[in-house]
Amino acid sequence: GQQLNQSPQSMFIQEGEDVSMNCTSSSIFNTWLWYKQDPGEGPVLLIALYKAGELTSNGRLTAQFGITRKDSFLNISASIPSDVGIYFCAGPSFIQGAQKLVFGQGTRLTINP
Amino acid sequence: SAVISQKPSRDICQRGTSLTIQCQVDSQVTMMFWYRQQPGQSLTLIATANQGSEATYESGFVIDKFPISRPNLTFSTLTVSNMSPEDSSIYLCRRGRTGATCSYEQYFGPGTRLTVT
Repeated sequence: GQQLNQSPQSMFIQEGEDVSMNCTSSSIFNTWLWYKQDPGEGPVLLIALYKAGELTSNGRLTAQFGITRKDSFLNISASIPSDVGIYFCAGPSFIQGAQKLVFGQGTRLTINP
Repeated sequence: SAVISQKPSRDICQRGTSLTIQCQVDSQVTMMFWYRQQPGQSLTLIATANQGSEATYESGFVIDKFPISRPNLTFSTLTVSNMSPEDSSIYLCRRGRTGATCSYEQYFGPGTRLTVT
């Protein structure tokens, strides 16, 4: 089935640094979603990408939909303590039905003040 | 953004008991989804809850263990039956698309953190 490989699995950075994480797949996705999960909470949608090549920003976050439709990246600029959490990429699974989402393994971000 | 609530937010249960988790969404949707997130892991889909029909379970999940109800277009329950410590996880519901949009934006509830002793 469709799988998403997310990297890195964890990151330890200093406050103020930029962060970059990516997600790749062996199959094509027509939509990429990036979520953040805070400890003890459900995932919250950060950015949705619908078009190959699309670059979308949400504050200090920028995400791009790869031109091959098999990858996406998420960048966070000038990280702050509240950026700590787990970031997941996700995409709709068309094998099983349009609304089912396939998730990456997550990138756990830790920030040292 | 959508408003999705779950009850309870957390619980500690004894082995062999059952817990029913409720999910309420703020707009009518055809599909609702239930996920499990084991400690330190990603999200795994348990089942899709369609209003007016039986839930559709993913491989590895069965109705006897995780019965689901979907009595109307804004509400669903998931029961974790005959619990064991391996069932300790966060259980999350997710709202499907509303009829008015083609967007894939998908919203999750806050989760229910279950600990089985």
